[in-house]
Amino acid sequence: DAGVTQSPTHLIKTRGQQVTLRCSPKSGHDTVSWYQQALGQGPQFIFQYYEEEERQRGNFPDRFSGHQFPNYSSELNVNALLLGDSALYLCASSFGGYNEQFFGPGTRLTVL
Amino acid sequence: EDQVTQSPEALRLQEGESSSLNCSYTVSGLRGLFWYRQDPGKGPEFLFTLYSAGEEKEKERLKATLTKKESFLHITAPKPEDSATYLCAVRNQAGTALIFGKGTTLSVSS
Repeated sequence: DAGVTQSPTHLIKTRGQQVTLRCSPKSGHDTVSWYQQALGQGPQFIFQYYEEEERQRGNFPDRFSGHQFPNYSSELNVNALLLGDSALYLCASSFGGYNEQFFGPGTRLTVL
Repeated sequence: EDQVTQSPEALRLQEGESSSLNCSYTVSGLRGLFWYRQDPGKGPEFLFTLYSAGEEKEKERLKATLTKKESFLHITAPKPEDSATYLCAVRNQAGTALIFGKGTTLSVSS
């Protein structure tokens, strides 16, 4: 049984560019949440998708957007990248959004 | 405002030296407290969920306990492979997002 998968594993971009990160949830899960983890910090909630809709959003600007597909996979898009967007981006999946969240390995984004 | 504070920030132990990690939380109506283990550069690995004061859960050398204001992760006779960052989180008021502490980085030397 495959767990949560994310792609790519690493990414290097320059300021002002746009990036798309991808996530496939654990089998049987229908809800995807995205988190940003800066070095030495705990993960911070970006948003959660359920039934292809954004159910809740954390304190992140509109430059961060997402999408969920009918097969429950999800994308995180970040526009107009800033140096401060450099972080580990984590995807977590759950069944229904109110149960335990299981995390993927993350995508390390570096903005130069 | 929902908040999670973990202490200490870092802990160094000798193999076999038992200790505890603390997680203090402030939340309106606890909807679950979660412990995760995170190895460097990897995603958090789920360990435990606790819902009510007095609840305890165990897994190998780890035991998590919960009171009305804090949770403890007890590590009994740790081994070097227990070295990792341990994260504590609570569910937010809406019940969807996890609010994490900064973590405790545990180093166990042989």
